[in-house]
Amino acid sequence: GAVVSQHPSRVICKSGTSVKIECRSLDFQATTMFWYRQFPKQSLMLMATSNEGSKATYEQGVEKDKFLINHASLTLSTLTVTSAHPEDSSFYICSARDLRGQTQETQYFGPGTRLLVL
Amino acid sequence: SQKIEQNSEALNIQEGKTATLTCNYTNYSPAYLQWYRQDPGRGPVFLLLIRENEKEKRKERLKVTFDTTLKQSLFHITASQPADSATYLCALRTGTASKLTFGTGTRLQVTL
Repeated sequence: GAVVSQHPSRVICKSGTSVKIECRSLDFQATTMFWYRQFPKQSLMLMATSNEGSKATYEQGVEKDKFLINHASLTLSTLTVTSAHPEDSSFYICSARDLRGQTQETQYFGPGTRLLVL
Repeated sequence: SQKIEQNSEALNIQEGKTATLTCNYTNYSPAYLQWYRQDPGRGPVFLLLIRENEKEKRKERLKVTFDTTLKQSLFHITASQPADSATYLCALRTGTASKLTFGTGTRLQVTL
């Protein structure tokens, strides 16, 4: 199956700093990537949909100025958490849709990034 | 309002038995239903996709059924093994272009 990587796998930062998380599709091109957030013992909540070459679409309640998304190429999307606060501590997971053939409906997920804001 | 419910938060079964997980949805007309496995601290791993016009899909020890009348999907793991212990998530999409929405997950524990 398609492989999606994320970097870093975990990050600890001080309150007020910005953190960038990278998401790459390794063996396929993804015009659309998705960013999710998952709190402990909860399900994945979609934050935004990232389209290559255009602005991201944010879900209701997600601040676009706080969570900056850039999708500059068909294999890379980045999420920057600006001025991070302790309540932003969470597990951030990206995913990408493989556009090839019959697997177009399937989304593949990265391994996740654990963010801890002190 | 739209809801996706996975009935059991946790399910414990003995090795070798068949595990059956349930996903029910309301106020959706999904075109696709997908099942994922998630291990602690990891991203979800895709297992199976079933379309609205399909009743059953199989892959090795896994079987998924999809009943659009009952608005329910069942996910079966036969001959379960301790390595199958994980959280299993169902997810719906209403169309190719629409977003994937997840259920709350069922944590499966397979014991010896």
